[in-house]
Amino acid sequence: QVQLQQWGAGLLRPSETLSLTCSVYSGSFSGYFLTWIRQPPGKGLEWIGVFNPSGSTDYNPSLKSRVTISVDTSKTHFSLRLNSVTAADTAVYYCGRGGGILPTAWGQGTLVTVSS
Amino acid sequence: ENVLTQSPATLSLSPGERATLFCGASQSVNSRYLAWYQQKPGLAPRLVIFDASRRATGIPDRFSGSGYGTDFTLTISRLEPEDFAVYYCQQYGSSPLTFGGGTKVEIK
Repeated sequence: QVQLQQWGAGLLRPSETLSLTCSVYSGSFSGYFLTWIRQPPGKGLEWIGVFNPSGSTDYNPSLKSRVTISVDTSKTHFSLRLNSVTAADTAVYYCGRGGGILPTAWGQGTLVTVSS
Repeated sequence: ENVLTQSPATLSLSPGERATLFCGASQSVNSRYLAWYQQKPGLAPRLVIFDASRRATGIPDRFSGSGYGTDFTLTISRLEPEDFAVYYCQQYGSSPLTFGGGTKVEIK
């Protein structure tokens, strides 16, 4: 089963930029929908956004002004950037890949804590 | 945005029993684009049902989904020990994609 590997800084101070990267073992992201979701500790899931195979993006309006999802030119990594973080952005972040808009392969999750 | 409400919040059942989980939408879900995920502690969610009633790859047939419009149901016909988890519904018929708050299926 395809597995994604994700990494990035786990501790940020308020106002800093969250940056996470996701890669796939022996494969690429070309032609796939690439998704980020997050889950605050002990809470439910929140959809952050998606990078479509056409190259367009769609973001949750609650985060749209601060978020960017991008794919590198080699199509082997994709990234999430979230600017001006606050404590409310503390969560486990997951990357996902799917042939359709629903991910069927996921990263292991990264806990990002925002604290001064 | 289309707000999803799941009930009950917690379902306490024994292995072998039937589980029925509900997901209600504030607006009709386009084209039955409703999915169910299973999540266990410390793990990413796993897709169980998509298009309201189609089982994802590798999902046993004791899982079934139904519904249309604003009312959807996930049924687990006979609970196995590995089925105890939190289940989330998600609509993907309109942007932003939204999740319900989850139903925890716990061992009684």
